[in-house]
Amino acid sequence: GQQVMQIPQYQHVQEGEDFTTYCNSSTTLSNIQWYKQRPGGHPVFLIQLVKSGEVKKQKRLTFQFGEAKKNSSLHITATQTTDVGTYFCAGVVTSGSRLTFGEGTQLTVNP
Amino acid sequence: DAGVTQSPTHLIKTRGQHVTLRCSPISGHKSVSWYQQVLGQGPQFIFQYYEKEERGRGNFPDRFSARQFPNYSSELNVNALLLGDSALYLCASSQDLNYGYTFGSGTRLTVV
Repeated sequence: GQQVMQIPQYQHVQEGEDFTTYCNSSTTLSNIQWYKQRPGGHPVFLIQLVKSGEVKKQKRLTFQFGEAKKNSSLHITATQTTDVGTYFCAGVVTSGSRLTFGEGTQLTVNP
Repeated sequence: DAGVTQSPTHLIKTRGQHVTLRCSPISGHKSVSWYQQVLGQGPQFIFQYYEKEERGRGNFPDRFSARQFPNYSSELNVNALLLGDSALYLCASSQDLNYGYTFGSGTRLTVV
C-alpha cells in the first residue's frame, strides 16, 4: 500500500534557527497536505499543495511540492517557541480519496 | 461557528466490550473521516464518508464499522475491544473532497 515517510523524526533547534522537514511518498500524489499538532492537541490543517513544483508561503513557513509530485518539504525560517509541535504531511493518491499521513517530525525549540 | 465535536472525550472500556464514538462535523461539511492515532505516530486512516456513502476503508479489522447519518454526523463502532485498540480516535470533516480537513479534539479510548 501507499507509504508516506517523513524525516527527521525529531528536530531540536535554538530559537531563531531554521527548520526543515521532508516528506516522501512511495507513489505519485494527487495532492499533499500539511498539518501541525501541538502536544496534547489534534492535527490542525496548514496548507494543501496540488500542482507539480508548487511553492506556497505562510509568513515564516514555506511549503514545496516536488516536480514529480512524490515529495514535499516544509521550511520554517527563524523558529519561535510557538512553532513547537509535530508537523505531519498527508498525501492523497487519487483525487478525493483518503489522506495517508506520515509519521511526523517533532519540533522542539529552545528559547 | 462550532468546530468538529466528538464525544465522549475520554473512555475506559474492558477487553471484549463494545464502544461507540460520535462525531458532529462542521455545518455544511459533507465529508467525514475517522483516524486512529497511537502515541508518537501519525494518524492511521480508518474510514471516509462522503454524502453518507462510504468512500474508503483503511486496513482495520471488521470489528471496526462506521456510518454517516442524514445530518452528516457520524459514528464509529468497535466491537470486541482489544488492548491494542487503546488510542486517540480522531474525526475530521471537510466541506468537500480535495479540501483540507478540520479535526476534532478526539476521543481518548483506553482498553483495560
